[in-house]
Amino acid sequence: DQQVKQNSPSLSVQEGRISILNCDYTNSMFDYFLWYKKYPAEGPTFLISISSIKDKNEDGRFTVFLNKSAKHLSLHIVPSQPGDSAVYFCAATRENFNKFYFGSGTKLNVKP
Amino acid sequence: ETGVTQTPRHLVMGMTNKKSLKCEQHLGHNAMYWYKQSAKKPLELMFVYSLEERVENNSVPSRFSPECPNSSHLFLHLHTLQPEDSALYLCASSKSEMDTGELFFGEGSRLTVL
Repeated sequence: DQQVKQNSPSLSVQEGRISILNCDYTNSMFDYFLWYKKYPAEGPTFLISISSIKDKNEDGRFTVFLNKSAKHLSLHIVPSQPGDSAVYFCAATRENFNKFYFGSGTKLNVKP
Repeated sequence: ETGVTQTPRHLVMGMTNKKSLKCEQHLGHNAMYWYKQSAKKPLELMFVYSLEERVENNSVPSRFSPECPNSSHLFLHLHTLQPEDSALYLCASSKSEMDTGELFFGEGSRLTVL
């Protein structure tokens, strides 16, 4: 049973515009969420995270929004750049637990 | 360069072969993980080791056998695999298994079972 879902397998955005990647989860016990970015032939690298005590966390061009009531989080990239083209994985866990649950990823293509 | 190195990067094996995947981390972390990534599926946690002790076995078939001789090295021994085991196997590490900070991933070992 998939506890973290990314329903859009791919997304195409024009350079300079906003990219919005979505993630839904089912387990209300999750209280820590992360986004990872993966380039081909490389392992995923950590991008940004958010704790459930917040509803927004910003780091440069990347902002993660958390809607606990909807069990939904999103990653906004503004402005999008061609170098952002990669697969983005959403992950969720409980504080002090070692299990990270990952979504299946969304492939972002930023067109020049 | 994430500080987590996996070898080999690519492996092709027959169903009767025995092979091993190796992972080494240079970050001084205490927890190491094996994940499996199949096409169009979420990353699946396989095993978690904390201070060389296995703390999680996520219902993985016995044809996958992990080994953690020290906190810097993690192996995944493979024997009598099936074609459906073909996937990308990712090693990761974190400061401790109780730490909800980042996981640091290796580049993965692409396994093909014929």
